[in-house]
Amino acid sequence: DGGITQSPKYLFRKEGQNVTLSCEQNLNHDAMYWYRQDPGQGLRLIYYSQIVNDFQKGDIAEGYSVSREKKESFPLTVTSAQKNPTAFYLCASGTASNSPLHFGNGTRLTVT
Amino acid sequence: AQSVTQLDSQVPVFEEAPVELRCNYSSSVSVYLFWYVQYPNQGLQLLLKYLSGSTLVKGINGFEAEFNKSQTSFHLRKPSVHISDTAEYFCAVSDLSGNTPLVFGKGTRLSVIA
Repeated sequence: DGGITQSPKYLFRKEGQNVTLSCEQNLNHDAMYWYRQDPGQGLRLIYYSQIVNDFQKGDIAEGYSVSREKKESFPLTVTSAQKNPTAFYLCASGTASNSPLHFGNGTRLTVT
Repeated sequence: AQSVTQLDSQVPVFEEAPVELRCNYSSSVSVYLFWYVQYPNQGLQLLLKYLSGSTLVKGINGFEAEFNKSQTSFHLRKPSVHISDTAEYFCAVSDLSGNTPLVFGKGTRLSVIA
């Protein structure tokens, strides 16, 4: 079955450490997205990529980095510069603007 | 740029009662509109979408939404809710170009009470 896989589901890190969240899709979608979800704040866009080897900052890119070396993969690195990294992170992929996004099941990151 | 306002952060409703979750959007261009549902600790699933044509859109699980261009609204309705409808619901908007990402509202938490 086609879909998006995010791993791991839960992730714990100490403050000051970088951490990379994995996102893989086998839907052959060109575009991939990273959202951060906090209670009462909805989904906020971190980064997105519409084509391999190219990506754009979203609304809250500070303290995060991404790469898009393969169509199937769009890993997100949460750096030590991110001041409040504890959150639920969602990866999505899509095609045209009139097609819905497909979401992974998320990674819950806790930094202490 | 587009924006979305979901007017209610939480909506409690008794089982088998009707429910309406409100969504208003702002855009200077024509848009596509979506409703997504999120169950606890999961990703989002598409409920329904408005692209063009009939302003009344039917989705999964008995939900429907009506696009009202003059009021820039896209409210979600269900005539009779079930316990299993307890979840968070997100309204989202995109322009027709395909060049800008989907913009989400802050979500409405629907709690169905037995």
